[in-house]
Amino acid sequence: NAGVTQTPKFQVLKTGQSMTLQCAQDMNHNSMYWYRQDPGMGLRLIYYSASEGTTDKGEVPNGYNVSRLNKREFSLRLESAAPSQTSVYFCASRDLGEQYFGPGTRLTVT
Amino acid sequence: AQRVTQPEKLLSVFKGAPVELKCNYSYSGSPELFWYVQYSRQRLQLLLRHISRESIKGFTADLNKGETSFHLKKPFAQEEDSAMYYCALSAYNTDKLIFGTGTRLQVFP
Repeated sequence: NAGVTQTPKFQVLKTGQSMTLQCAQDMNHNSMYWYRQDPGMGLRLIYYSASEGTTDKGEVPNGYNVSRLNKREFSLRLESAAPSQTSVYFCASRDLGEQYFGPGTRLTVT
Repeated sequence: AQRVTQPEKLLSVFKGAPVELKCNYSYSGSPELFWYVQYSRQRLQLLLRHISRESIKGFTADLNKGETSFHLKKPFAQEEDSAMYYCALSAYNTDKLIFGTGTRLQVFP
């Protein structure tokens, strides 16, 4: 039982490049989330998906897109990366109130 | 608007000292409150939720609706408690968690 997995663990991009962060959960949870974690800012919600086929904006959605591919997978895409998107990204899924987090992706945009 | 405030960015104590990490929230209804912990190089994990009213690793937290607070307490800190602690709020009947900015707890030997 892997829980929530994320790939890649680390990534360096140049400004303007695009990439997709992958997330999968094997706990049959309906809700999935993408957060970014920045020093002094805590965890900020980028997008979430309450169920397969639905997505909603969170607190900081600009510059990102998401896809809920199926119940297991929820990907986050940066179409044109900017230095302000340098951060640690966490995926999470939720069941009965508790959120389960992935290990994070450390992204640096130069 | 829903908001979670953790006023301390850093809290440093010596081993054996009492610890209190503060959390205040703003929400007009009945929230569900959580404490999450992130140890060095590990993922975030749930420490406590107010509805379970249990003690985990010696930590307790009581929801005070009058003061809109959910402070995390431990009577005797241990070095292994050193971590980042996040308070979070879930509004009734929503899927979203609102996190505070976190407090880093350092416990010195």
